[in-house]
Amino acid sequence: AQTVTQSQPEMSVQEAETVTLSCTYDTSENNYYLFWYKQPPSRQMILVIRQEAYKQQNATENRFSVNFQKAAKSFSLKISDSQLGDTAMYFCALDSGYALNFGKGTSLLVTP
Amino acid sequence: DTGVSQNPRHKITKRGQNVTFRCDPISEHNRLYWYRQTLGQGPEFLTYFQNEAQLEKSRLLSDRFSAERPKGSFSTLEIQRTEQGDSAMYLCASSSRDSPEAFFGQGTRLTVV
Repeated sequence: AQTVTQSQPEMSVQEAETVTLSCTYDTSENNYYLFWYKQPPSRQMILVIRQEAYKQQNATENRFSVNFQKAAKSFSLKISDSQLGDTAMYFCALDSGYALNFGKGTSLLVTP
Repeated sequence: DTGVSQNPRHKITKRGQNVTFRCDPISEHNRLYWYRQTLGQGPEFLTYFQNEAQLEKSRLLSDRFSAERPKGSFSTLEIQRTEQGDSAMYLCASSSRDSPEAFFGQGTRLTVV
């Protein structure tokens, strides 16, 4: 069975600071995709960043980057220069081959 | 294309009634997914279509739930004899065969009273 665990239910960061959200997962597959999705309050889920398991290089999208540790099955998200608009639920997700398995999410609050 | 569209956005129904939700995926996407999300939880997979074929169903999808995707375009999710435990956000997503990235709609929030 595939599982995704996010151990930080809530986090807070000041504007312009850096924050790291944690995610661990379990899968027996060797090739898979990992994602971080953002869900702002009352708004739809949008993709933040994705990582292919066969790529050793960590993915980066502007202020967002990941630390992908395949052996440890860890996939953390770093948000640099946090902005008020980054306030949202963040979900880590593992592609199971036909659907996404999501963690329970981390609620991130960016404060002025 | 304006992305994945779901209707209605909100639905309040009495226990025991049937409800139907609609999802219009991004036009060139052949894969369509339904998820259910309850408060404080991540989305849970319900079912998956590739074109018009329903290829996977979660055990969460009881006999009261049925989904269709006629002609491989829009999809409907019907819940018969609704129960209070069905209250949740129902999310639809779509993706193309060339990319695993799923694009989500805004969801339909169901409240069963």
